[in-house]
Amino acid sequence: QKEVEQDPGPLSVPEGAIVSLNCTYSNSAFQYFMWYRQYSRKGPELLMYTYSSGNKEDGRFTAQVDKSSKYISLFIRDSQPSDSATYLCAMSHGSSNTGKLIFGQGTTLQVKP
Amino acid sequence: GAVVSQHPSRVICKSGTSVKIECRSLDFQATTMFWYRQFPKQSLMLMATSNEGSKATYEQGVEKDKFLINHASLTLSTLTVTSAHPEDSSFYICSAPDRAGANVLTFGAGSRLTVL
Repeated sequence: QKEVEQDPGPLSVPEGAIVSLNCTYSNSAFQYFMWYRQYSRKGPELLMYTYSSGNKEDGRFTAQVDKSSKYISLFIRDSQPSDSATYLCAMSHGSSNTGKLIFGQGTTLQVKP
Repeated sequence: GAVVSQHPSRVICKSGTSVKIECRSLDFQATTMFWYRQFPKQSLMLMATSNEGSKATYEQGVEKDKFLINHASLTLSTLTVTSAHPEDSSFYICSAPDRAGANVLTFGAGSRLTVL
């Protein structure tokens, strides 16, 4: 079993739709939770990060962490064609493992005009 | 957040040659940088941690003699793939701690290596 599971998709939605992206994980020691966006042939771009549980909102993006269920989500409101990319969740244990992020496989999102 | 620059973005080489990839932190000093690798349709995997002024630490299964890492200054880390073989073809991405915190990373644009 992988430490982090993420449905690879692809996920196709019409422009303006609300997108829900999710990851589950097995290691309860994870403390930091991140979402990255990766365009084809480019490095990952940090979208949002959360420490421990809770919600965080930034513009059209909302990240949620439910540590009791070992489940994290990223919501994209009013999706745009420019949001079409691969979305990667990533997690880390904390200061003792600085730099070692465990990534999900990534979900490919296509937003159709 | 932090800005990480990586060069070259794409390189093609013959089997048996060595290739150097540079990673620079543009607007901050990074005592530690991280090198990841991503194979097609797969996720990123940490290869090694680059430490300024000391030896790099490698993840299990990563050959330190094949992937030479040098972190000679606070803004530059280099990865050299020595005696490259076709199976080393991959997307290599460096990263550094984001200003948000040591456990959140900013990544470079990546270097796509193709070994013929």
